[in-house]
Amino acid sequence: DAKTTQPTSMDCAEGRAANLPCNHSTISGNEYVYWYRQIHSQGPQYIIHGLKNNETNEMASLIITEDRKSSTLILPHATLRDTAVYYCIVSYPNDMRFGAGTRLTVKP
Amino acid sequence: DTEVTQTPKHLVMGMTNKKSLKCEQHMGHRAMYWYKQKAKKPPELMFVYSYEKLSINESVPSRFSPECPNSSLLNLHLHALQPEDSALYLCASSQEDSGASNTGELFFGEGSRLTVL
Repeated sequence: DAKTTQPTSMDCAEGRAANLPCNHSTISGNEYVYWYRQIHSQGPQYIIHGLKNNETNEMASLIITEDRKSSTLILPHATLRDTAVYYCIVSYPNDMRFGAGTRLTVKP
Repeated sequence: DTEVTQTPKHLVMGMTNKKSLKCEQHMGHRAMYWYKQKAKKPPELMFVYSYEKLSINESVPSRFSPECPNSSLLNLHLHALQPEDSALYLCASSQEDSGASNTGELFFGEGSRLTVL
C-alpha cells in the first residue's frame, strides 16, 4: 500500500529546471515529506524535507500544496550529474520506507 | 565526519557459509538501519535499531541476524543464505530524538554488494 505516487521516469534538458511531482493524498498531520536521490550504485542521498511550508536549500526547493496532498521537488538548473532515481517519502522521522521513485534523466 | 562506512564493499559467499557485514558511524547518531536493495528496485527496510535496541524487524528471515554492539557499530550476520538474497545491503544512521533538531535525515553508506552462490 504505497503512500506516494511518482511518475516512473522523466527527462529534463541540461540547464533547465527539473520539476518532479509526488502525490501523497493519505499523508497524516505529523508526517513529513522527504526527498532522496540515488545515483547509480551509490547509497541514497538526502535532498530536502518539509512539513507544511515550502523549503529551499542549496540543492533544491520543495513546494508542498496547502492541503499537503502533493508536493514538487524543483532542481533549478539541472546538470548531467543530477541524473538519478528520485524518491519522495512520506514519513515520521526514523521510519523511512522507499517507494518506486522517479528516474530522472538529464540530457545535454 | 558525516560518513557511514560499510565493509566489505563486495562479498561472495556460498549457501553454507557464515559471514558478517559491518557498518560504522561517528556522528553520534542513535538510530541505525539496514536496507536491502535488489537491482532496479527501491531500498527495502529490514531492521531499525534505536539506542542499541532493535525497534523494527520487517519480518526478515532468521538467516539474517542483526547486532548493534554499541552506538557506533551495526552488524548484519549472514548464515545459510539463498541465491535470491544476493543484493546491495545498505546501512544508514540518523538522529534519534523527538526534539526540533531531529530532521529525520538518513545518512547512507555506499553499501555492501552480496553475491550468494
